[in-house]
Amino acid sequence: NAGVMQNPRHLVRRRGQEARLRCSPMKGHSHVYWYRQLPEEGLKFMVYLQKENIIDESGMPKERFSAEFPKEGPSILRIQQVVRGDSAAYFCASSLKQGANTEAFFGQGTRLTVV
Amino acid sequence: TQLLEQSPQFLSIQEGENLTVYCNSSSVFSSLQWYRQEPGEGPVLLVTVVTGGEVKKLKRLTFQFGDARKDSSLHITAAQPGDTGLYLCAAGSGNTGKLIFGQGTTLQVKP
Repeated sequence: NAGVMQNPRHLVRRRGQEARLRCSPMKGHSHVYWYRQLPEEGLKFMVYLQKENIIDESGMPKERFSAEFPKEGPSILRIQQVVRGDSAAYFCASSLKQGANTEAFFGQGTRLTVV
Repeated sequence: TQLLEQSPQFLSIQEGENLTVYCNSSSVFSSLQWYRQEPGEGPVLLVTVVTGGEVKKLKRLTFQFGDARKDSSLHITAAQPGDTGLYLCAAGSGNTGKLIFGQGTTLQVKP
């Protein structure tokens, strides 16, 4: 049973370009969470999605960031017109069900570097 | 705003020593999780504690949830170089399954 798959593992973008980060949840998981991690820091929640629905986007910046989880295919985190401050590791997690004590499994992350 | 404060932020010890990492909050949580993250990898769940006063052991690691469910500790006995990594505590926020993380404790165990 494959774990959470994220790609690419590393992504370099010039300022002003778009970054697309992909996340395939574990088989059977329909709940996806995106987190951002700055160096030597903990993870910060960005967005929670179920298939075709954004449930909680309270951690998403208001501009340039968007996320989707279509009926078919991976979840996508999209960052438009990237700036240097967007450089970070972006992690996706998936869970089988929703709930306060539900176990979430994390992918290996995408490390975005904006030059 | 719910916050989790971890201490210490950095810890460098010799192989064989014992250590304790703390995770504190002013909020009450229904559960708390501990993760370990190695460089270049995602966090891996070590344990979930649910009941106030609960103690769980995972080989040389001992996890405790405070009686009031506001704090937790991770104790490592006879640390080994393989224990090196970033240790994160996290708690659920609301009923959606999203997690709030502490800022982490970077542990380095020297051989």
